Parts: sequence; structure tokens; C-alpha cells
Amino acid sequence: DAGVTQSPTHLIKTRGQHVTLRCSPISGHKSVSWYQQVLGQGPQFIFQYYEKEERGRGNFPDRFSARQFPNYSSELNVNALLLGDSALYLCASSPSGTFIADTQYFGPGTRLTVL
Amino acid sequence: AQSVTQLGSHVSVSEGALVLLRCNYSSSVPPYLFWYVQYPNQGLQLLLKYTSAATLVKGINGFEAEFKKSETSFHLTKPSAHMSDAAEYFCAVSEKTGANNLFFGTGTRLTVIP
Repeated sequence: DAGVTQSPTHLIKTRGQHVTLRCSPISGHKSVSWYQQVLGQGPQFIFQYYEKEERGRGNFPDRFSARQFPNYSSELNVNALLLGDSALYLCASSPSGTFIADTQYFGPGTRLTVL
Repeated sequence: AQSVTQLGSHVSVSEGALVLLRCNYSSSVPPYLFWYVQYPNQGLQLLLKYTSAATLVKGINGFEAEFKKSETSFHLTKPSAHMSDAAEYFCAVSEKTGANNLFFGTGTRLTVIP
């Protein structure tokens, strides 16, 4: 079975632009979470979606938004890009959004560079 | 909010030596605890997790971790390091209520010396 897939793998943008990152969860998984990993740090939680509804949001500005589609894939959108948004963006899927100890399975990430 | 402290951003061990990576959490209520490994240019892979069952948790690739409530610790160990263990290791916690988002430590880079 395919794991979590993310696209694109790399992306270069300039300040002020907008970016959309995409994630396809493992087949059968209904929950998708997004994390930002700045170089040299651990991942930071951005959003969790379950059954197309937002179930959790981390401490990120409103420039960050996300949505989940009926097929459980997800998009992360970032507006008005700043240099500080340069990071590896990780998507994780889990079977449900209700069992707290569910294992989260991570994709390879999208490396975003903002110039 | 939960927080996790990983002592030692870099750890070097010789091949065949004991691996010990430290993790302490801050919470009055024991959370769920996880160890993930990240190889270069890859996502994170779960090594093991603690969910209030046995305090000694065995994971993949010969790793194990022991939950010690009195010390608020969840240190990761492996008896004998292998070259393929060289990677970045992250300890993470999740709260027992709300969304199942993970709070990660800053990571420990493990180097294995031949």
C-alpha cells in the first residue's frame, strides 16, 4: 500500500506570494494533520482535519489555512509568504481523528524556500 | 500546553555501543509519548509509543523506551548501535484530550562511529 504522499517535493517562492501544498493520506485514513519543520527544530503542529472538519489548530497566523476533501486528501495554503515560512511542511495521516493515541504516519514533506 | 525537552542535540556513539537518547516531558498528567526517527530528506517514522500500558515499550529496529512517571522521562535506548541508526530522533507527546496533535522536542542527531 502507498504511504502518505505529498506534492510538490520542493518549491521556491518569493515574499508576498501564495503557495498551495497537497497531501494524500494512506488509503482508509480519515484524518490529516499538517506540521511545519524549520531547519534544526522539531515539527510544529499547524492543523488537523477529520472528516473534512477542522479539529485542531496550532499557533499559526491566519495566513495559514487548510481544507480536506471528500476523498480525505488535503491542501495547506499559505498567503503573503514571509522569509520565515521557509521550512519542510509535513503531512501526517491517521486512521481516525478521535483516538488520541492513534499513530500518525508522515509523508516525505514539501521543502518550501521563500526568497 | 505540553512541552518536551530532549537533552543533547548531538549524540555520538561507537558502532556496537549503547545508545541512550533522553526525553523529559512537562505535564502533571502523563501524556501519550512517542519516539520518531527521521532519516535525511525523509519524513518521520514511528519507532515506538507509550499509551498507558506497560511502562517498558519495545519498538522497531531494536529500540525500546521506558516511561518513568516519577522522573517525567521517556528515554530511548538500544543495546548495540548500528551504522544504519544514524539519523535524527524526535520525542513527542500528545495530550489525552482534544485533537491528537503531537508536540515535538527539538530532536537529537545520532552519529554512529565505525
